[in-house]
Amino acid sequence: EPEVTQTPSHQVTQMGQEVILRCVPISNHLYFYWYRQILGQKVEFLVSFYNNEISEKSEIFDDQFSVERPDGSNFTLKIRSTKLEDSAMYFCASQGTGGEQFFGPGTRLTVL
Amino acid sequence: RKEVEQDPGPFNVPEGATVAFNCTYSNSASQSFFWYRQDCRKEPKLLMSVYSSGNEDGRFTAQLNRASQYISLLIRDSKLSDSATYLCVVIGPVSGGYNKLIFGAGTRLAVHP
Repeated sequence: EPEVTQTPSHQVTQMGQEVILRCVPISNHLYFYWYRQILGQKVEFLVSFYNNEISEKSEIFDDQFSVERPDGSNFTLKIRSTKLEDSAMYFCASQGTGGEQFFGPGTRLTVL
Repeated sequence: RKEVEQDPGPFNVPEGATVAFNCTYSNSASQSFFWYRQDCRKEPKLLMSVYSSGNEDGRFTAQLNRASQYISLLIRDSKLSDSATYLCVVIGPVSGGYNKLIFGAGTRLAVHP
């Protein structure tokens, strides 16, 4: 069964450093998403991406965040200058024509 | 008011019990509704969609009341493996084919022997 994959599973970084979180969506899906979940809190929408551009972004997704689909298979989330409060689980999701979103296993980002 | 509200629990129930979770949502223009399940430190997984007519999948029954903006999930004959956090999820009023999922904070269920 096709699945969404994410790398790395855990990323530790120093405050102020740039991180890139990687996702490989399901191959024939067209809509891609990033969500985050701070420990003990709810899952929050960050951004949706379709046809190589952002469809919608949340207030959390400020100028420090960017997304890219550089090669037609990977879907990346970049945080330019990480803050302590960026520590969270980041989930990638992809959606096909059926409408259901399939989530990857997540990347745990720890900012020290 | 929160967009999606759930009782955080935890609900501690014995195996075989019936347990019900409730959820309310604030935006009357919301289009679609779901229950997801999330195990500790794992990704959310779709449990079932929720329709106005109500729908059942084995031991799980979901109901939607649009007038009250209320969603429910009933689990019958609880199993140990049902222990997880149950997330109420709503799709907001968007256009263009993409679906922005709005999650509740989740209700934790612990089923004990």
